[in-house]
Amino acid sequence: DTEVTQTPKHLVMGMTNKKSLKCEQHMGHRAMYWYKQKAKKPPELMFVYSYEKLSINESVPSRFSPECPNSSLLNLHLHALQPEDSALYLCASSPTPGQGVRNSPLHFGNGTRLTVT
Amino acid sequence: AQSVTQLGSHVSVSEGALVLLRCNYSSSVPPYLFWYVQYPNQGLQLLLKYTSAATLVKGINGFEAEFKKSETSFHLTKPSAHMSDAAEYFCAVSGTNAGKSTFGDGTTLTVKP
Repeated sequence: DTEVTQTPKHLVMGMTNKKSLKCEQHMGHRAMYWYKQKAKKPPELMFVYSYEKLSINESVPSRFSPECPNSSLLNLHLHALQPEDSALYLCASSPTPGQGVRNSPLHFGNGTRLTVT
Repeated sequence: AQSVTQLGSHVSVSEGALVLLRCNYSSSVPPYLFWYVQYPNQGLQLLLKYTSAATLVKGINGFEAEFKKSETSFHLTKPSAHMSDAAEYFCAVSGTNAGKSTFGDGTTLTVKP
């Protein structure tokens, strides 16, 4: 069982819909991440939260809006998506963010499979 | 700056045969290296990591990897493949922040009965 829980597992939405992806971890990690993964490709970093503050935005379109309400929760709000946004969205966490501690692996959830119609 | 190259996007072995998945890295600082495995419809799971304590690293499920600085390699091996090893494998090198890890393109491992 994964220690990072993502809901829902599957999501189908139209291009005019608004939906949210949720991620939760109870490992005490203070860094949380959103990745996008297309089939047979490596994960692509979207956002990084460090101590509940957005620290990295990899030039993601504004139709994706992240939120970190507390140290255990991470949301990704979706609005006016395009069919090319269909992908597996992975949440991850790690024990300690920032420089000097680069040996912490990422702990991934099982992802949300998103289909935009 | 760092990069990772995984040689061979597809590797096929027979059950019981040696598994060898190749990873070469480039890093401007001493690297921290990781191997992750991804089973169908799941997230990535850490197999093992190199953090300079030992050049031969043992991981889960019988996998191990050897760090060779002179060859800038971190190849993943398993002496005897099992059907359950069929999955996608990603090599990654850590940036200054674990979230900025650079992933290789992945290798799909197929295990034939």
